[in-house]
Amino acid sequence: EAGVTQFPSHSVIEKGQTVTLRCDPISGHDNLYWYRRVMGKEIKFLLHFVKESKQDESGMPNNRFLAERTGGTYSTLKVQPAELEDSGVYFCASSQGQGGHYEQYFGPGTRLTVT
Amino acid sequence: AQSVSQHNHHVILSEAASLELGCNYSYGGTVNLFWYVQYPGQHLQLLLKYFSGDPLVKGIKGFEAEFIKSKFSFNLRKPSVQWSDTAEYFCAVNARSSGTYKYIFGTGTRLKVLA
Repeated sequence: EAGVTQFPSHSVIEKGQTVTLRCDPISGHDNLYWYRRVMGKEIKFLLHFVKESKQDESGMPNNRFLAERTGGTYSTLKVQPAELEDSGVYFCASSQGQGGHYEQYFGPGTRLTVT
Repeated sequence: AQSVSQHNHHVILSEAASLELGCNYSYGGTVNLFWYVQYPGQHLQLLLKYFSGDPLVKGIKGFEAEFIKSKFSFNLRKPSVQWSDTAEYFCAVNARSSGTYKYIFGTGTRLKVLA
């Protein structure tokens, strides 16, 4: 069974540019999560999809971030325009269910550097 | 506010030494606790989890953790570490807020095991 995959693995962009990150969850997992880790800090929740619907986007930093999950399969996270403080590692995770017992399976992350 | 604290940010041990990584959480509801590990260049993977029952849980690769409710703690232990245990370790609680379950992570502990 293929795990969660993310693309690209690294991205270096200039301030003001746009970047789109992609996540492919484990097949059959309706729940998809985005997290971010800024250097030296904890991994923080950004948002949660159930199929194509945003269940919770309380962690999104501001309106420069836009997440989509068309068709309930893969998801994209767009940052437009990027700022220096957006640098960090963006993780995607998926799970079979929503309850507290469900393990989330993580992708390898996308390291975003904004210069 | 819900939070997870990992007190040791960097730990250096020699092979065969015993390991204990501290994790304390602040959450008023039913706790679902996890320890994840990220080996260099790899994705986060689950070491062990606790939902209920026996507070001493055993995970993969010889790791175990003890849930102590009165201390709000879920410390990770291993009797004898190996060089291959060099990695970053994350404690997390899967907590419900804003209507959905999401992981709240600690800041992580970087473990370096000297051969």
